Amino acid sequence: ETGVTQSPTHLIKTRGQQVTLRCSSQSGHNTVSWYQQALGQGPQFIFQYYREEENGRGNFPPRFSGLQFPNYSSELNVNALELDDSALYLCASSRLQGYEQYFGPGTRLTVT
Amino acid sequence: SQQGEEDPQALSIQEGENATMNCSYKTSINNLQWYRQNSGRGLVHLILIRSNEREKHSGRLRVTLDTSKKSSSLLITASRAADTASYFCATVVSGGSYIPTFGRGTSLIVHP
Repeated sequence: ETGVTQSPTHLIKTRGQQVTLRCSSQSGHNTVSWYQQALGQGPQFIFQYYREEENGRGNFPPRFSGLQFPNYSSELNVNALELDDSALYLCASSRLQGYEQYFGPGTRLTVT
Repeated sequence: SQQGEEDPQALSIQEGENATMNCSYKTSINNLQWYRQNSGRGLVHLILIRSNEREKHSGRLRVTLDTSKKSSSLLITASRAADTASYFCATVVSGGSYIPTFGRGTSLIVHP
């Protein structure tokens, strides 16, 4: 089984720019979730996709958007970047919603 | 607000000792999951315990769940330096959208 992969590993952007983060789910998993983790905090849920449809969203503004593709890979897009968007962004896939999730290594985003 | 809260925030022990971490939550759950995170990287799923279960074991890990007290504990027996990590509980509420909600975590340091 191929694990969850994310790209890029690290990214530095300037305030106001846009960014796209990518995730490739584990084989056979049809649910993908994105989390934001600030330093010293737990992962904060951004949104979840199930079979290409968004089926849950956390307390994040609309400038955070996403997509899930037919092969269950996924993207997280963030527009109009703010300094507070600096964080580790984690992607997780699961075979069943609400059960064990398999996380990628994360993308470390720094906004300057 | 986060559904699950871990206690203590930080724990420092010697190799060979046992480590106990607790998680308290507020609303009825479908299941509760424990994850480990090394050095700000991706999370690794450890154990899932369902609301109708009271105890589960996996190797040196033992998880208990007390739904009347809305709490869970993770016990790591005979700890090793390699157990040094942050540990998070994640709760999936009953009748909800099956999205695991994470606490802030317990930082465990095991000294050789």
